[in-house]
Amino acid sequence: KAGVTQTPRYLIKTRGQQVTLSCSPISGHRSVSWYQQTPGQGLQFLFEYFSETQRNKGNFPGRFSGRQFSNSRSEMNVSTLELGDSALYLCASSLTGTGGYEQYFGPGTRLTVT
Amino acid sequence: QQQVKQSPQSLIVQKGGISIINCAYENTAFDYFPWYQQFPGKGPALLIAIRPDVSEKKEGRFTISFNKSAKQFSLHIMDSQPGDSATYFCAAEGYALNFGKGTSLLVTP
Repeated sequence: KAGVTQTPRYLIKTRGQQVTLSCSPISGHRSVSWYQQTPGQGLQFLFEYFSETQRNKGNFPGRFSGRQFSNSRSEMNVSTLELGDSALYLCASSLTGTGGYEQYFGPGTRLTVT
Repeated sequence: QQQVKQSPQSLIVQKGGISIINCAYENTAFDYFPWYQQFPGKGPALLIAIRPDVSEKKEGRFTISFNKSAKQFSLHIMDSQPGDSATYFCAAEGYALNFGKGTSLLVTP
């Protein structure tokens, strides 16, 4: 079974621009969660989508948004990029999300904001 | 606020030794506690996980010990190998995974 794929793997953007990241979950998985990983803050939860609906949201500003399509693929968007948005963005897929179901992470998208 | 506290931040162990990483949590609503292993340039990979109704779980060289009353859990890596050198994250699940800050493990030959 193919794993979680994320595109692009690396991205360089300028402050003020916007960016869209993509995640394809494992086949059959309906839940996709997004996490931000930085050296200072570690891994922080952004949001989770299940069956095209945002089910949970972390403590991030409204500049961070996402969506999920009918095939479970998900995108996240960051508008008006700030230098502090530089991070590794990880998506994780699971069968149904929380409840003790294993979450499988993709390799991440490394975003650098200059 | 950090809901899961992890220690130590870094750890150096000799080949064949035991690596021990500790985590503590506050929220008693957490009901699933996984450990992840991350190599440079890769996403975290699930290593082993435990539920709070079990005090210990062993898979190969990896063991989780769980103390519900103390709200603590730990990962033991027996017979540590250089290939185990990676960053390890504990997590506690509520509506999402709450991660510890990570432990960088180096196993020397």
